[in-house]
Amino acid sequence: LAKTTQPISMDSYEGQEVNITCSHNNIATNDYITWYQQFPSQGPRFIIQGYKTKVTNEVASLFIPADRKSSTLSLPRVSLSDTAVYYCLGGGYNQGGKLIFGQGTELSVKP
Amino acid sequence: DTAVSQTPKYLVTQMGNDKSIKCEQNLGHDTMYWYKQDSKKFLKIMFSYNNKELIINETVPNRFSPKSPDKAHLNLHINSLELGDSAVYFCASTNRVSGNTIYFGEGSWLTVV
Repeated sequence: LAKTTQPISMDSYEGQEVNITCSHNNIATNDYITWYQQFPSQGPRFIIQGYKTKVTNEVASLFIPADRKSSTLSLPRVSLSDTAVYYCLGGGYNQGGKLIFGQGTELSVKP
Repeated sequence: DTAVSQTPKYLVTQMGNDKSIKCEQNLGHDTMYWYKQDSKKFLKIMFSYNNKELIINETVPNRFSPKSPDKAHLNLHINSLELGDSAVYFCASTNRVSGNTIYFGEGSWLTVV
């Protein structure tokens, strides 16, 4: 199973770009890499998903190197409302449905 | 309409009681989960059902018993509640075709006193 490792916490200021890296050394060949965001008192919600290279949506970008052993979530120009916990997800449905979350990165955005 | 809904949102109960948390998803997904999140924010998978069949049981005390009457519902019953059961319990669902995209409920805050 793909165990993930990511920094426990990060601090940033409004308007900065934030990059959070997750390592998933034993991710399966056909598994996607997915990131979730969780605000206090809410359930995690999907941000972005990718398989390799780069994926971009209206919220974030996801960079995945060729070896797929890590991925970087990039949040452009963060605001106070981006303060949340960000989870990198390794594993997938192909591994018997066991979707394992890492410990998450607590991002604090300051004014 | 809420995609994954769970009730109750808050539950305060005494040690030794038995309680249930209910979950329903209207996304047509074939797989549902229960996750437990403790005070350290760690999301730990507890159970997973696929089309009403238990496929994952992650070394959870047998005081916890999930029940899936149909593939849109997954309830969690907890017997003889202990202080350490205090946590936030999240129901979630996904589908084979959606890859890793899991849809979570809003959580049920359980406090055992």
